[in-house]
Amino acid sequence: GAVVSQHPSWVICKSGTSVKIECRSLDFQATTMFWYRQFPKQSLMLMATSNEGSKATYEQGVEKDKFLINHASLTLSTLTVTSAHPEDSSFYICSAPSWTSGGRELFFGEGSRLTVL
Amino acid sequence: AQSVTQPDIHITVSEGASLELRCNYSYGATPYLFWYVQSPGQGLQLLLKYFSGDTLVQGIKGFEAEFKRSQSSFNLRKPSVHWSDAAEYFCAVSGNEKLTFGTGTRLTIIP
Repeated sequence: GAVVSQHPSWVICKSGTSVKIECRSLDFQATTMFWYRQFPKQSLMLMATSNEGSKATYEQGVEKDKFLINHASLTLSTLTVTSAHPEDSSFYICSAPSWTSGGRELFFGEGSRLTVL
Repeated sequence: AQSVTQPDIHITVSEGASLELRCNYSYGATPYLFWYVQSPGQGLQLLLKYFSGDTLVQGIKGFEAEFKRSQSSFNLRKPSVHWSDAAEYFCAVSGNEKLTFGTGTRLTIIP
C-alpha cells in the first residue's frame, strides 16, 4: 500500500520555540492531507485539512496562527507549532488519501510526539 | 453531525479466546465505516472498512466486522486472539475523507 512518513518521530523543545513536523507521501501524490492530534489515552481529533497550493482548512476551535500548515508540493505537508507551550504537547498524526484496489483509502503516518518543556 | 461511540474503554481477553469490540455510529446517510489499530507510539493501520455491499467485511490479521444498519453498529470480531493483537483499536465513520474517530478500546491479552 501507499506509504506516508512523518518526521521527526519525537521532538522535545523549550516553551516559546517553534517546531516543524513534516508529512510526506513517499510513493504517491496527495493534493490533500489531514492533520490529527491525539492526547494521551484519547482519540484522534482532526485539526485541519491541508490543500496543495492553497490555504489549509481548519476545524472549529483550532488556532490557525498557532498551527501553521503549508502544503508546498504534492508529496509534502508541514505543520508548524508556533510559540509552543506545554499544553501543545501531544501526538500529531497526518494522513493522505490514495487509491487502492479497494477504493480510496486514507494512509497514516507514524505520528510525531511533541513534548514542550 | 457524525459521531462514533466505543462503549468499552478497556477489554482484557485470554490468548486464544474470541474477541468482539463494539462500535456504534451516528450518521445521516449511509456511512463509510472503518476499524484501525494503533500500537503504542505508532500511527494507525487500517484493519478493514465498509463502504457498501456485503455487510460482513473481512480484514487483515483475521479480523472481521459486521455492519448492522438497524443497530447503527459496526462491531469488530476475531475468533481467536494472539498476544500480538494487544493494541488500541479505533472505530471511525466518514461521509467523505474526513474521519471521525471513536475514543478507542484498549485490548490487553493475557496468557
